[in-house]
Amino acid sequence: SQTIHQWPATLVQPVGSPLSLECTVEGTSNPNLYWYRQAAGRGLQLLFYSVGIGQISSEVPQNLSASRPQDRQFILSSKKLLLSDSGFYLCAGRGQWGGSTGELFFGEGSRLTVL
Amino acid sequence: AQKITQTQPGMFVQEKEAVTLDCTYDTSDPSYGLFWYKQPSSGEMIFLIYQGSYDQQNATEGRYSLNFQKARKSANLVISASQLGDSAMYFCAMSLMNTGFQKLVFGTGTRLLVSP
Repeated sequence: SQTIHQWPATLVQPVGSPLSLECTVEGTSNPNLYWYRQAAGRGLQLLFYSVGIGQISSEVPQNLSASRPQDRQFILSSKKLLLSDSGFYLCAGRGQWGGSTGELFFGEGSRLTVL
Repeated sequence: AQKITQTQPGMFVQEKEAVTLDCTYDTSDPSYGLFWYKQPSSGEMIFLIYQGSYDQQNATEGRYSLNFQKARKSANLVISASQLGDSAMYFCAMSLMNTGFQKLVFGTGTRLLVSP
């Protein structure tokens, strides 16, 4: 079956520190991959998506970046975190999954608190 | 531009009753897909149901059905025979053909609380 794993599950970081969140995909090849952020009590905001290795589309200008070094690996990074970067980050994928509806499958999420 | 609107921040329902969660959307793209997801307190997003813009019939998946009214641009989720485990956040989302259905845009969600 197709699954997404992301880590770490929880982290607390000081303002100005770097960030690296990682997700990996199992059970499919050449998936579209996505990073979403969910602020407390809010909906999901699309940050980045990737249709292939090295291909990154940014949806929201900010101090975050994404990279896709391998087909099934998607990384979210920041050189210097801001307080406003706090939130729940979800990695999602879409590929040879779920028939023809094109729904996304999500990882377990990473909760980031910036102090 | 595409936009999803969920006007109900919270809904309450008693166990075994039906509940409707509202979703309206805005797009000029004639081809699109509409999705509903459930997010329990643990945080993972669970896909519930899909409706394509050209589908003639309303989608159904078990206790979930989607009341699709294209002219009104609404895609309400109906949960029949509510269960305690249905308590969660529910998100409506849309993808468009003009973006190759590559992106899913979400509404702000509705928190459903099912009481015994």
